[in-house]
Amino acid sequence: QQQVKQSPQSLIVQKGGISIINCAYENTAFDYFPWYQQFPGKGPALLIAIRPDVSEKKEGRFTISFNKSAKQFSLHIMDSQPGDSATYFCAASVGTGTASKLTFGTGTRLQVTL
Amino acid sequence: ETGVTQTPRHLVMGMTNKKSLKCEQHLGHNAMYWYKQSAKKPLELMFVYNFKEQTENNSVPSRFSPECPNSSHLFLHLHTLQPEDSALYLCASSQENTGELFFGEGSRLTVL
Repeated sequence: QQQVKQSPQSLIVQKGGISIINCAYENTAFDYFPWYQQFPGKGPALLIAIRPDVSEKKEGRFTISFNKSAKQFSLHIMDSQPGDSATYFCAASVGTGTASKLTFGTGTRLQVTL
Repeated sequence: ETGVTQTPRHLVMGMTNKKSLKCEQHLGHNAMYWYKQSAKKPLELMFVYNFKEQTENNSVPSRFSPECPNSSHLFLHLHTLQPEDSALYLCASSQENTGELFFGEGSRLTVL
């Protein structure tokens, strides 16, 4: 019930292409969906987040698409760059005031090639 | 120093050793966390401290012992660990009533 399933496990995209990472959840009480980005040798950092009252949120080249009925959300990276190469984690929680309640996905290692 | 700093960055220990991981946050946050990161697994929450009080312990074995002397410092004391405890241990902080975690760079632990 608390799981967040993330796919793919790894992804290779050419520079300029679109990277797409998907997550699915079961707990319908989840109402906060952040994405964290982790570069090698660094800790994860919040990249972008969405609440289910909107179907899409865009920040620069990064977009979250949210499908409440399917209980799925995805991260799209437009015009992918080598500097985007990192591991991406989706997460979900009930409410935004309880960071300790975040349930994380297993991560997707993205490699953007020249 | 800014953000969340962790020391040591790398640690190798035998199963009978006792060692400690240290975390310090310079963000003025009032909640601190220990997470375990293993390959191909979700981040595992181990302990949570709010205002120095431990509020969560997610069934972590007693060979891991946290200590939070003040709202800026967090320790994870390690003793008689097992090889399967080898992982990256991440410290994080947050401001209460916000959902954003600020992570340190982690301590890579290898248990021989």
